[in-house]
Amino acid sequence: DAGVIQSPRHEVTEMGQEVTLRCKPISGHNSLFWYRQTMMRGLELLIYFNNNVPIDDSGMPEDRFSAKMPNASFSTLKIQPSEPRDSAVYFCASSFRGPENTQYFGPGTRLTVL
Amino acid sequence: GNSVTQMEGPVTLSEEAFLTINCTYTATGYPSLFWYVQYPGEGLQLLLKATKADDKGSNKGFEATYRKETTSFHLEKGSVQVSDSAVYFCALSSSNTGKLIFGQGTTLQVKP
Repeated sequence: DAGVIQSPRHEVTEMGQEVTLRCKPISGHNSLFWYRQTMMRGLELLIYFNNNVPIDDSGMPEDRFSAKMPNASFSTLKIQPSEPRDSAVYFCASSFRGPENTQYFGPGTRLTVL
Repeated sequence: GNSVTQMEGPVTLSEEAFLTINCTYTATGYPSLFWYVQYPGEGLQLLLKATKADDKGSNKGFEATYRKETTSFHLEKGSVQVSDSAVYFCALSSSNTGKLIFGQGTTLQVKP
């Protein structure tokens, strides 16, 4: 199994630009999660989907952030416009929703906004 | 609501020392409990888990026992190695939401 795939692994952009992060979950998993990790705030859950439907987006910082899951094998997290304070590592994780709920994490996208 | 509290780090140990990282939780119902590990520059990896009271999760020499009476899931290892240096996250999951609630993470540094 390929595991959770994220792209790009690194992104450097200038303030005001649009950034799109991509995630392919593990095949057969029906839950997908987007996290942000920073030194100051640790690991934060931004949004999660069950069966492609957003269930809880209370962690999305503001309207500049949006996430979609058009099908079971693909999700995007978009920041428009980006700001320097968005610099972080963004992780995608997937799980099969059930009693164990083990989440499997991707390698992350390191975003730097100049 | 649900929450997880871990001991603050960093924890610095010499190689072959005994490791304990404390984790306590607050939860409604019967959550599953997890330890994840993050090596430098990498994503989180599942280290071990326990899905019900008195279960012991174990992997790579690490162990943790689900203690409902003390609402704890402490991580232990009898003899740490330099390669165990990483950040360790305790987490709980409520089966009705699928969300993981993470502790703040504990950095472990093992010196030769």
